[in-house]
Amino acid sequence: SSGPTQPPSLSVSPGQTATITCSADKLGGTYAGWYQQKPGQSPVLVISEDNKRPSGIPERFSGSNSGNTATLTISGTQAMDEADYYCQAWDSNTVVFGGGTKLIVL
Amino acid sequence: EVQLLQSGGGLVQPGGSLRLSCAASGFTFTRYAMTWVRQSPGKGLEWVSGISGSGRNTYYPYSVDGRFTISRDNSKNMLYLQMDSLRADDTALYYCAKVVNIDLPDPFDYWGQGALVTVSS
Repeated sequence: SSGPTQPPSLSVSPGQTATITCSADKLGGTYAGWYQQKPGQSPVLVISEDNKRPSGIPERFSGSNSGNTATLTISGTQAMDEADYYCQAWDSNTVVFGGGTKLIVL
Repeated sequence: EVQLLQSGGGLVQPGGSLRLSCAASGFTFTRYAMTWVRQSPGKGLEWVSGISGSGRNTYYPYSVDGRFTISRDNSKNMLYLQMDSLRADDTALYYCAKVVNIDLPDPFDYWGQGALVTVSS
C-alpha cells in the first residue's frame, strides 16, 4: 500500500511553531511515530505512539493523532531542528512511512 | 548504551544474493522486536522487514516478500537480512533498528549506522 501523505517542505523562522502533517485513511486508528533525519545521519525517533517523547528529545517536540491525520508540532523551532521528518504508521500488517517533509529554518 | 553495529553491505550483480548482519548490545535482545529499513539515494525511508523478539513472527512488505528473509540468533544477539534475487531498485542504504516493544507495529527507537547495498552489473 502507498504511504501516508506529507507536505514535501515547510519553511519557518526561528522561534516560530512548525506543524507537519501526515495524512492517510483511518490513520487515527493506529499509532503514529515521527523520525528526524539530518544529512548523512541515521533517523532519530522524536515522537513514539502518537505523542510520547523518547528520552533526550526536547519538550518543544509534541505529537497528536486523530481521524485521518497525525501531526508533529515543534514549538519555538531552532536552527538545529532543520532536517527531514518522516511519519510512520501501520497498515494491513505492514509498516508504512510518509514521503518525508524537509523542514527549513530561516 | 544501546548499540547496533551493521556489516555485510557491498556490490552485487542483479539476480545475486547478499546477507546483512546487525550486532546488538546494551539491551536484552530477546525482549524486543527488530526491523530493517532502507533508503535509496536521495529518497525517503522504506520498511523492508520485521521480526518479533522470539523470532516466531516475521513481517514483509509486498515489494520484498519471497526475496528477503529476516532472521535472528538470540543466543548471539544478532539480526540478519538475507536478500536474494536482487534487483537494481534494491540499491539503497539499509538500516537495522530496534523496536520499542517485543513485537511490531511499534516504532523504532534505535538505529544502526547503515550498510550500503549496490546492485549493478
